[in-house]
Order: sequence, then C-alpha cells, then structure tokens
Amino acid sequence: AQKITQTQPGMFVQEKEAVTLDCTYDTSDQSYGLFWYKQPSSGEMIFLIYQGSYDEQNATEGRYSLNFQKARKSANLVISASQLGDSAMYFCALGGFKTIFGAGTRLFVKA
Amino acid sequence: DSGVTQTPKHLITATGQRVTLRCSPRSGDLSVYWYQQSLDQGLQFLIQYYNGEERAKGNILERFSAQQFPDLHSELNLSSLELGDSALYFCASSAGTAAYNEQFFGPGTRLTVL
Repeated sequence: AQKITQTQPGMFVQEKEAVTLDCTYDTSDQSYGLFWYKQPSSGEMIFLIYQGSYDEQNATEGRYSLNFQKARKSANLVISASQLGDSAMYFCALGGFKTIFGAGTRLFVKA
Repeated sequence: DSGVTQTPKHLITATGQRVTLRCSPRSGDLSVYWYQQSLDQGLQFLIQYYNGEERAKGNILERFSAQQFPDLHSELNLSSLELGDSALYFCASSAGTAAYNEQFFGPGTRLTVL
C-alpha cells in the first residue's frame, strides 16, 4: 500500500531565510514519482517540483529543491530565500499506479 | 496558468440533485485525473483516464462517475448529492499514462450542496 506523511501541520519562517518542509513516503512500486504542490489561499494547485524514483540527482527549480533520500524514503522540499508570497499550503504527493497526497504543511512567512 | 481548464468555477445545488463538472486537459496531454478536496478528507484521488480508457480508480463513490471523450475532455458526474459532497473538485492532466508523470491542475470547481 502507498502512504505519504507530512508531519508538520504548520511552520513559520523569516523572510529571506531557507525552510525545509518534510515528507516521507512508503510504496511497493519500483517506479514512482514525488511531487510538491503549492496551494495559496486562492485555492489553485501550483506544481512546484518533481523527482522520479530513478533520478540520481536531486531536482531543483529556481528557489525550490527536493532533498531526495531514497533509502530513508524521504523527499523534503527546501525553499531558499523565502518570500512573503510563499505563504501557502504545501502538499507532497506520491505518484505510482495511483496518486496520493499528504495532509499538507501550512507555511507562514514573516516579514 | 497551467493550461488545464475546468467549468464551472462555482456550483451551488441542493441535496439529491445531479451535476456535471467539465475538464479540458493541457494540449497534448492524454491523461486526466479527478480529485476531491474537502476539509475533513484532504485531497483524495478519485479516478484517472488515459486516452479515453479508465486507467486507475481511487476513492470514488458509486454515485459518482466519469468519462473521457474522444477530444480528450473529461466530465465528472455526481448524482444523489449529499451535504458531504461539498468540496473543491480538481482535474489534472499529464502527458503520460503513469501517475508518476507530472500532473498539472486546473483551477478547480467549488461545489456547495445545500
């Protein structure tokens, strides 16, 4: 069975600092993907970053990077140089045969 | 803008009624996914279609059904609506058949059942 866990319901970070959002997963699939999405208060789901299970290098997209540790089954999102506009809900998702989402972490960026 | 469109944006209806939500995937994407986001259940995968065929099924109720048409747009039909069906319904699309491909979400349809 697939499982994905985000243990931080809420986090605060100071503007311009880096923050790490935790995500652990469990799956029996050999091929899978890990995704992070941002959901601002307006409600849309914005794709941030993707890591394939066979990718050896950690994915990066601008200020977002994914710290992928396959043996530990973790896929943490690192946001560098936080901005006020980063305040939102962040979801980690595991895609295999089906896709499941974690419960989310609400990030608050302080000025 | 993800390139995925959903209509309507908002829908208010009564218990027992039936509604249809519509989704057009990004140009070139063959897979369409439907998700339900509610306060108590979080974001739940409902069903996936690939090129017109059902590919994977999640926590979709029997009162709900979906299909993908030859032009690749998809519809989610919700019938015998209950108060608990009030939620944000998302459609997402991806290029490939497998759920480990990146999925791009539409803006969602907010359904309110009174």
